[in-house]
Amino acid sequence: ILNVEQSPQSLHVQEGDSTNFTCSFPSSNFYALHWYRWETAKSPEALFVMTLNGDEKKKGRISATLNTKEGYSYLYIKGSQPEDSATYLCASPEYNQGGKLIFGQGTELSVKP
Amino acid sequence: ETGVTQSPTHLIKTRGQQVTLRCSSQSGHNTVSWYQQALGQGPQFIFQYYREEENGRGNFPPRFSGLQFPNYSSELNVNALELDDSALYLCASSQSPWTSGNNEQFFGPGTRLTVL
Repeated sequence: ILNVEQSPQSLHVQEGDSTNFTCSFPSSNFYALHWYRWETAKSPEALFVMTLNGDEKKKGRISATLNTKEGYSYLYIKGSQPEDSATYLCASPEYNQGGKLIFGQGTELSVKP
Repeated sequence: ETGVTQSPTHLIKTRGQQVTLRCSSQSGHNTVSWYQQALGQGPQFIFQYYREEENGRGNFPPRFSGLQFPNYSSELNVNALELDDSALYLCASSQSPWTSGNNEQFFGPGTRLTVL
């Protein structure tokens, strides 16, 4: 069974700080890597879907990189704002069970003004 | 375009009871997946429905069952509720059952189930 891990579990930063966190996954039988942003009382929102080794994706101040050979992805937030406060989840589909997403436990980000 | 909706928002049940949770998929999506999120954990895959048939199941007992209707909306049924079933239940819809490339899963806000 695929095991996806995220670190750190939580992060507290000041407004304006840049931050990053990690998602680790098995490098064998890699399929895709999904990043979600989840604000309290809202739906998880898809940020990126990454499939190719070396992929880099960007949406505003948020960017992500992917290394399938070593089995990790980084999510970066440049100049954090209070509205970036959320839980960030990564997930990877189980091999040969494409619809079954395996999630990490999430990184809870809190940005103080 | 209407997003994924779930009902009810919150629900309180007692042990041994049965519960039905509902999910309306996003327009144009034929696949619905259900996840359980217990406190402090990431969402855990329960099962997926594609064209009204179960298309993959996670490590959940048979008392967790589902349905998908011709309009692609879905229900999650849980029988003989246990205390450990207390969790947030999320549904997600997608354009196909395969989660690769740009085929994203779009999530609803969840139903919070409390079992007393």
